[in-house]
Amino acid sequence: EVQLVQSGAEVKKPGESLKISCKGSGYSFTSYWIAWVRQMPGKGLECMGIIYPGDSNTRYSPSFQGRVTISADKSISTAYLQWGSLEASDTAMYYCARRTSAMDVWGQGTTVTVSS
Amino acid sequence: DIQMTQSPSTLSASVGDRVTITCRASQYISSWLAWYQQKPGKAPKLLIFKASSLESGVPSRFSGSGSGTEFTLTISSLQPDDFATYYCLQDSAYPWTFGQGTKVEF
Repeated sequence: EVQLVQSGAEVKKPGESLKISCKGSGYSFTSYWIAWVRQMPGKGLECMGIIYPGDSNTRYSPSFQGRVTISADKSISTAYLQWGSLEASDTAMYYCARRTSAMDVWGQGTTVTVSS
Repeated sequence: DIQMTQSPSTLSASVGDRVTITCRASQYISSWLAWYQQKPGKAPKLLIFKASSLESGVPSRFSGSGSGTEFTLTISSLQPDDFATYYCLQDSAYPWTFGQGTKVEF
């Protein structure tokens, strides 16, 4: 079964750093783009950035460039999304998704809460 | 960036209704358009890819059409399980962009 399994919910304070993960299984992890998608409470979906685990080619959406870092470790079939300094506005659900002809397989989501 | 304008934002319907949701792209995207269904607290689910291809396991009452800049998702006969929020996504050019969503409610 093709799966993306994300790390668990996080509660952080403003200014703290964070790295969340997305582990793929059941397919060739290095052969398809992985996207990270943000959904703020009660809001729509936003694509933050994408990475091709085969060569770590990464692209960021302008709104997120410089605010987050996307990486991957192909040896353990895992993609990452990280922040150096969290803000309250980073409070959201974060999804990873595999892109074949579309984003067809999604992780279960990681809730990030940033509050003092 | 390519902007996706989705309408309506909310749609009131009843079981058995034919429902149509539209997405308009600000630039030509060929057929690189997908449709997703999302229920509260759940990850989005792919319904349609490449504008009109039905994802495996998705009921045939869902269909997609269009190319270029105008796209439509149709639910031929709305079922109780279909009350949800629907999003379009263009992945023709990066950054990939979603429509604002359409909430289908009773």
